[in-house]
Amino acid sequence: KQEVTQIPAALSVPEGENLVLNCSFTDSAIYNLQWFRQDPGKGLTSLLLIQSSQREQTSGRLNASLDKSSGRSTLYIAASQPGDSATYLCAATDSNYQLIWGAGTKLIIKP
Amino acid sequence: NAGVTQTPKFRVLKTGQSMTLLCAQDMNHEYMYWYRQDPGMGLRLIHYSVGEGTTAKGEVPDGYNVSRLKKQNFLLGLESAAPSQTSVYFCASSFAGTGSRYPYEQYFGPGTRLTVT
Repeated sequence: KQEVTQIPAALSVPEGENLVLNCSFTDSAIYNLQWFRQDPGKGLTSLLLIQSSQREQTSGRLNASLDKSSGRSTLYIAASQPGDSATYLCAATDSNYQLIWGAGTKLIIKP
Repeated sequence: NAGVTQTPKFRVLKTGQSMTLLCAQDMNHEYMYWYRQDPGMGLRLIHYSVGEGTTAKGEVPDGYNVSRLKKQNFLLGLESAAPSQTSVYFCASSFAGTGSRYPYEQYFGPGTRLTVT
């Protein structure tokens, strides 16, 4: 059974720092891996999707990588801003069309 | 486009009552999903649909039923609500990736906060 883990559960860094959020999965047979952002009391917004055949995707200050062999994905945020404060979740799509979710990393960017 | 909408936004039920949550999407997506989100547990899939008239069970289907009579709507029903069903419920939809049947990027609704007393 696929399990997705995100460590740490919470992270607080000063504004301007570059940071990395981690996501690990136990079964490498994934179709894609997605990173989402969730603001308090809101729904989820898709940030980046990496197909299983891809190694990375970039959008603005965000870069997501995927290493299926090691069961890891990372989300890199460059030059962090207070507006980046949110909970970040990763999810892996398995062979049954289902997304398996991590519990998220709550990120706080201090001005 | 309105994207994915959910009705209602908030609801309080007494144990044993029933209700239906409505999800609607205007993006002509094939796939639709119902999740619940509980503190510290991430999202868990309740039921999903890969097309009009089809439904399938997810990770936590017990106590819930779904229907997808129209492509744009996905209904989640609670026949006899229990306090354990207190949660935030999210609906999502997605299209199939190019040249494949697998779902691509998921779009989420704003959520329904349900409390069962």
